[in-house]
Amino acid sequence: EAQVTQNPRYLITVTGKKLTVTCSQNMNHEYMSWYRQDPGLGLRQIYYSMNVEVTDKGDVPEGYKVSRKEKRNFPLILESPSPNQTSLYFCASKRGSMNTEAFFGQGTRLTVV
Amino acid sequence: DQQVKQNSPSLSVQEGRISILNCDYTNSMFDYFLWYKKYPAEGPTFLISISSIKDKNEDGRFTVFLNKSAKHLSLHIVPSQPGDSAVYFCAASWVGWGKFQFGAGTQVVVTP
Repeated sequence: EAQVTQNPRYLITVTGKKLTVTCSQNMNHEYMSWYRQDPGLGLRQIYYSMNVEVTDKGDVPEGYKVSRKEKRNFPLILESPSPNQTSLYFCASKRGSMNTEAFFGQGTRLTVV
Repeated sequence: DQQVKQNSPSLSVQEGRISILNCDYTNSMFDYFLWYKKYPAEGPTFLISISSIKDKNEDGRFTVFLNKSAKHLSLHIVPSQPGDSAVYFCAASWVGWGKFQFGAGTQVVVTP
């Protein structure tokens, strides 16, 4: 089954404790990205990657890091989480830079206290 | 600066009637538009898309209309069903850009 898998689904952590949210896709997609969803703001892009070792900032990259060492994986790293990063996070993938739909993971609910 | 706007945060419609969701955009470079549907505790799922070379695309009960001169698109759901109750996001992109810009979403509630 074609899918985008995020882990964990739920996470509560404390301010300053580094964490990683993993994302994996099995569709051989070149393009992957991370979004956060906040009330009234919709989905805002954090980082995206057009292919292995190619990443770029989205609209809200501050406080986040990413890496793309393999085509299937695109982890999101919060080096020093803060309460304003409490949000619902989604990973997505799609084929290349073509005009085509993106497939989303189930989401990760992160709470930073 | 929000380039894609959904000005109606919520919409309530009776079962069997038409639901019309609206979306406006500001960037004239956008040439591809999508609608996503999202249920609670799930990721967004793709619903329908339209390229800027068209002004209408239809898929079953769902039709998207694009008015490029007005920078406006709409999603029509006919007839509305209780399972259509969800948040709907409008998104826009252009080929090679690698990014989607999403609107804030519209919560649709279909009542019996």
